[in-house]
Amino acid sequence: EPEVTQTPSHQVTQMGQEVILRCVPISNHLYFYWYRQILGQKVEFLVSFYNNEISEKSEIFDDQFSVERPDGSNFTLKIRSTKLEDSAMYFCASNWYGYTFGSGTRLTVV
Amino acid sequence: AQRVTQPEKLLSVFKGAPVELKCNYSYSGSPELFWYVQYSRQRLQLLLRHISRESIKGFTADLNKGETSFHLKKPFAQEEDSAMYYCALSGEIQGAQKLVFGQGTRLTINP
Repeated sequence: EPEVTQTPSHQVTQMGQEVILRCVPISNHLYFYWYRQILGQKVEFLVSFYNNEISEKSEIFDDQFSVERPDGSNFTLKIRSTKLEDSAMYFCASNWYGYTFGSGTRLTVV
Repeated sequence: AQRVTQPEKLLSVFKGAPVELKCNYSYSGSPELFWYVQYSRQRLQLLLRHISRESIKGFTADLNKGETSFHLKKPFAQEEDSAMYYCALSGEIQGAQKLVFGQGTRLTINP
């Protein structure tokens, strides 16, 4: 069964540093997403991406965040200057008549 | 506003007992409802979607528009059902389908 692959599984970064979280969605899917889950809280929508542009973003997805699909296979989430409160599990997902989630990247900002 | 409420953070039942995980939603239109399951240290997996009306691993869920509920049920719990369960809503049947999740219910099945 096709999978959404996320790397790395765990990333530790210092506050103020830039991080890039990577995802390889399922190849024939057309919609791509990032969600996050702060420890002990609900899964929250960050952004959706379709046809090489952002289709919707939440209020969490401020100017510090950006997404790219640089080469037709990878889908990345960049946080420019990480804050302590960015520490969370970040899930990538792709969708075409059904969602598939990746296994997540645990981001720890110290 | 779209909102999903799962009133129970924790639910513990004995093996063989019936299970019901509650989910209520708030949405002005006709949403699509889902149940996702997350086993320990694994990814979120789709368990059910209301439009498919199928039973997966013995679980069923009926959309009750009058009560705005989508409770998940299983008549006889098994130990392997222990997991985190999330109810989710989408305002679109297809397309971008942003998901709004509830807080989740941790289900523990005791032997």
